[in-house]
Amino acid sequence: QVQLVESGGGEVQPGGSLRLSCAASGFTFSAFGMHWVRQAPRKGLEWVAFIRFDGSTEYYADSVKGRFTISRDNSKNTVSLQMNSLRAEDTALYHCAKDFIQWRDYGLVGTWGQGTLVTVSS
Amino acid sequence: QSVLTQPPSASGTPGQRVTISCSGSSSNIGSNYVYWYQQVPGTAPKLLICRNNQRPSGVPDRFSGSKSGTSASLAISGLRSEDEADYYCAVWDDSLSAHVVFGGGTKLTVL
Repeated sequence: QVQLVESGGGEVQPGGSLRLSCAASGFTFSAFGMHWVRQAPRKGLEWVAFIRFDGSTEYYADSVKGRFTISRDNSKNTVSLQMNSLRAEDTALYHCAKDFIQWRDYGLVGTWGQGTLVTVSS
Repeated sequence: QSVLTQPPSASGTPGQRVTISCSGSSSNIGSNYVYWYQQVPGTAPKLLICRNNQRPSGVPDRFSGSKSGTSASLAISGLRSEDEADYYCAVWDDSLSAHVVFGGGTKLTVL
């Protein structure tokens, strides 16, 4: 079955950096776009970024554009999120998620990982 | 403030039918498929409805989705206690900064 396991979360000071990773298994990773979606404590879902199945296109939420970078390694079945210039408002549980339909230029989330917690605090 | 507008709360008694609305615009719901997710507290969200009205494998037929113009709805019939959760609509938005948008979420209480 599909498994998405995030890692790399932790506590960081404002202005700092963190790199999240997601190990995928149970499906043909190179055929699916991948998302990162976050959820601040006691808040709703906020989409963060998407990368096309072949890594050729990326989309970002306005709130993270220029600070976060999504990337993937299809040889290792991993997707990453490099987060720079972190702010208090970036504090959230970050979910790695698989697109619902394969071979799409963009799409919506199908399966979610359990998430990794990022806390930005001085 | 979310691009997609959902009521913050909804409620019903066991066996009842409840609906949750999701209002958007021509650049999102008006031109793309709507998806719905269920999030039981303390767990990861789960896909409930895809492409406006299709149920992924394993989702009970008590759950149904519909779309009209720039609005969409999720209906839950035969309400059960385990349906108590947060529900989110989501859609791709074709505006200047193309991206996925989520509704603010609706907390469903089973009385």
